[in-house]
Amino acid sequence: QLILTQSPSVSASLGASVKVTCTLSGGLRNYAIAWYQQQPGKGPRYLMKVNRDGHHNKGDGIPDRFSASSSGAERYLTISSLQSEDEADYYCQTWGTGIHWVFGGGTKVTVL
Amino acid sequence: EVQLVEAGGGLVQPGRSLRLSCAASGFRFDDYAMHWVRRPPGKGLEWVAAITWNSDIINYADSVEGRFTISRDNAENSLYLQINNLRPEDTAFYYCAKSGFSRSYYEYFENWGQGTLVTVSS
Repeated sequence: QLILTQSPSVSASLGASVKVTCTLSGGLRNYAIAWYQQQPGKGPRYLMKVNRDGHHNKGDGIPDRFSASSSGAERYLTISSLQSEDEADYYCQTWGTGIHWVFGGGTKVTVL
Repeated sequence: EVQLVEAGGGLVQPGRSLRLSCAASGFRFDDYAMHWVRRPPGKGLEWVAAITWNSDIINYADSVEGRFTISRDNAENSLYLQINNLRPEDTAFYYCAKSGFSRSYYEYFENWGQGTLVTVSS
């Protein structure tokens, strides 16, 4: 059973909003996760950490249009007012003793 | 400003060895756990190895246990990954990453390098 499940792709129009979902497997539904962005040809970039209550801590310089929330075993990354530079792969990650560090399969966000 | 710069990648034949390095600057290196993460072409991120700030604890992904060795030199602000008996499936971009909190092991990765490409092919 996968620990973290992400949809492979999502798309939205320039200026619109998009929601990326990361689902934790049952036993880990209370775990915090982190979101990362990887633009083509670049190293990953930390966006924010999201707790089970939806509280999130953003990385330095992350624009306000990136936000996060939680509901049960699901963690969400919402990108508002989509820009062309937001076209990238987005990964969720969780961690802990026993599982060490695990990434979701990634979601490719396409800006139409 | 935190900087992580990987080096040492290249084209290598199966069965050979390679040593990757990561030069760190802009933070107190000996206070942070460090990691290696890889991304094979067309696939997602995979955590590879972790080491605490004082090298007390080291962990590996099951897929690399026994062939990969992570180490660090705090005097040189450098992180290393020794890869032995390279396989085609080790072909990937390799990134070093810094833990999000000082002296805390199980955390997110706050800073990443740009990566170094390892290609394993005859």
